[in-house]
Amino acid sequence: GAVVSQHPSWVICKSGTSVKIECRSLDFQATTMFWYRQFPKQSLMLMATSNEGSKATYEQGVEKDKFLINHASLTLSTLTVTSAHPEDSSFYICSARTSGTGLNSPLHFGNGTRLTVT
Amino acid sequence: QKEVEQNSGPLSVPEGAIASLNCTYSDRGSQSFFWYRQYSGKSPELIMSIYSNGDKEDGRFTAQLNKASQYVSLLIRDSQPSDSATYLCAVAGNAGNNRKLIWGLGTSLAVNP
Repeated sequence: GAVVSQHPSWVICKSGTSVKIECRSLDFQATTMFWYRQFPKQSLMLMATSNEGSKATYEQGVEKDKFLINHASLTLSTLTVTSAHPEDSSFYICSARTSGTGLNSPLHFGNGTRLTVT
Repeated sequence: QKEVEQNSGPLSVPEGAIASLNCTYSDRGSQSFFWYRQYSGKSPELIMSIYSNGDKEDGRFTAQLNKASQYVSLLIRDSQPSDSATYLCAVAGNAGNNRKLIWGLGTSLAVNP
């Protein structure tokens, strides 16, 4: 149980284009999903908290207009990197908790998306 | 500033030995503690969660929590080469509705055959 599916697993795009990453909870409903970014040999950095039916909450220093988050249903959240630049190249990972299990329950992660901007 | 600290390693142990990974945290009110394993190029996967003082065992893994001393550890018995990975300690903060996880930088473990 608690499977989180993320797509695509990798993407290469040209500078200036936009990339959409999908995160789905396959066997549970997730009112909240979390988007992380990880640069090589660094730890996870929380970018934003995605809330179903409302606006995402962004961490300090993360540009909301650049990283668009949409959480339109209880099983799907999307992250769109707009006008991507080489410095946006990173490993993007979504995660979710199973609903109703409380805020102390662990996060379950998708497999991540490796974005390379050329 | 809430912090979670781990020794970055690498921690090198021979196959079959016990690997001991440690983590300290600054927020004394923290309630939830997690160990994740992350292989290179992959996303983290949950190994253990622990919420109360003492030991919690699951197979070859034992998590130990000491809230008074603000540390949580992970023991891996009979270490295998497949255990070679980075182990991330995460602590649920005690402030705010989200109780966001505070992550350590991870300890790199190498199990040598």
